[in-house]
Amino acid sequence: QQQVKQSPQSLIVQKGGIPIINCAYENTAFDYFPWYQQFPGKGPALLIAIRPDVSEKKEGRFTISFNKSAKQFSLHIMDSQPGDSATYFCAARVTGGGNKLTFGTGTQLKVEL
Amino acid sequence: DTGVSQDPRHKITKRGQNVTFRCDPISEHNRLYWYRQTLGQGPEFLTYFQNEAQLEKSRLLSDRFSAERPKGSFSTLEIQRTEQGDSAMYLCASSSGAPSSYGYTFGSGTRLTVV
Repeated sequence: QQQVKQSPQSLIVQKGGIPIINCAYENTAFDYFPWYQQFPGKGPALLIAIRPDVSEKKEGRFTISFNKSAKQFSLHIMDSQPGDSATYFCAARVTGGGNKLTFGTGTQLKVEL
Repeated sequence: DTGVSQDPRHKITKRGQNVTFRCDPISEHNRLYWYRQTLGQGPEFLTYFQNEAQLEKSRLLSDRFSAERPKGSFSTLEIQRTEQGDSAMYLCASSSGAPSSYGYTFGSGTRLTVV
């Protein structure tokens, strides 16, 4: 059972563009929503995270938008650069779940010059 | 280096053989997690430890899989009688467990190929 649905599967944007990656969830017990960035041959690295009592969080060029009523959240990358080309995963954590994360299936982003 | 270390980085084994992977977490982190990632998928939870206690195991972790964390430091994941379906990246992560620090730090993983 896939508890976190992520789209699109892949995305190509031009340098300077704003790629948007979307995730949706069903489980209302999720209380923490991180995004991870993964380069080939490396483990995922925490990028930015949000709690459901906040509608938006910005860190540098990365912004999470959160819609609690729709049970959706998205990652926006401002002024995207070729170095942002990677696979991005959304994830969610259940309250009292020992900090166990459920991941989406990933979005492969390519930023072209 | 103060990150999460995993060894080996790559392992090729014949079907039916046993393999063991090691993870050294960030020293001050008391929580340690194992995940499995197959090509084109997100990491899937396998098990986690708080100090030396194994607190949860996924049903993905069949009887052929066992994990230990003696003395609450490094951890090992053993797969017995490997099958081709075990081929995946095995990721280890650690966290402090503090409510203000939910983020994991992942290692670079051990890529297992069963031939």
